[in-house]
Amino acid sequence: NAGVTQTPKFRILKIGQSMTLQCTQDMNHNYMYWYRQDPGMGLKLIYYSVGAGITDKGEVPNGYNVSRSTTEDFPLRLELAAPSQTSVYFCASSPPLYSGRVNEQFFGPGTRLTVL
Amino acid sequence: DQQVKQNSPSLSVQEGRISILNCDYTNSMFDYFLWYKKYPAEGPTFLISISSIKDKNEDGRFTVFLNKSAKHLSLHIVPSQPGDSAVYFCAASTGGSQGNLIFGKGTKLSVKP
Repeated sequence: NAGVTQTPKFRILKIGQSMTLQCTQDMNHNYMYWYRQDPGMGLKLIYYSVGAGITDKGEVPNGYNVSRSTTEDFPLRLELAAPSQTSVYFCASSPPLYSGRVNEQFFGPGTRLTVL
Repeated sequence: DQQVKQNSPSLSVQEGRISILNCDYTNSMFDYFLWYKKYPAEGPTFLISISSIKDKNEDGRFTVFLNKSAKHLSLHIVPSQPGDSAVYFCAASTGGSQGNLIFGKGTKLSVKP
């Protein structure tokens, strides 16, 4: 099992450009999440999904969009990149609520994004 | 307003001694607490958790203590090893929150040989 994989590892964007951060998990987890981590800060939830076709906003959703067409994939779209979106982005997945382990999230290695 | 606070940005401990990492929370609705460990250039990994119905949970060298009246939890690592050097994040959630975790800012632990 590869677990949670993210691509790319690094990316530099110019202000106003767009990009998609890819996330795939092979653990058949229903729940998936996108977080951002700014320097010296904890992780903040951007969007999450409880299953294919279902997504919802987290704490900091502005400037981002997500989709969930399959159980495995949960891409994060940045439209009109801004310097404030410079951060490290982590994708995570977890077993469903009924498993009792929904909080034990498995994280990918992260994507370091710089917007100049 | 931070709901989960880790007031010590860093902690240095000698190998073999005990490491104690602290975490405070403000939201009384939190009922599940976790510790994650993060090495540089990697994603966080789940370490240990505790439900609000317990006051202690142990897993090998790692023990988490919960004091609900003080809204405080701590992670004890005994004995500390150099491989434990990492950033430790405290996280909390409310029942039925579908895994939406609120993270603290983290504490960087350095274990010196």
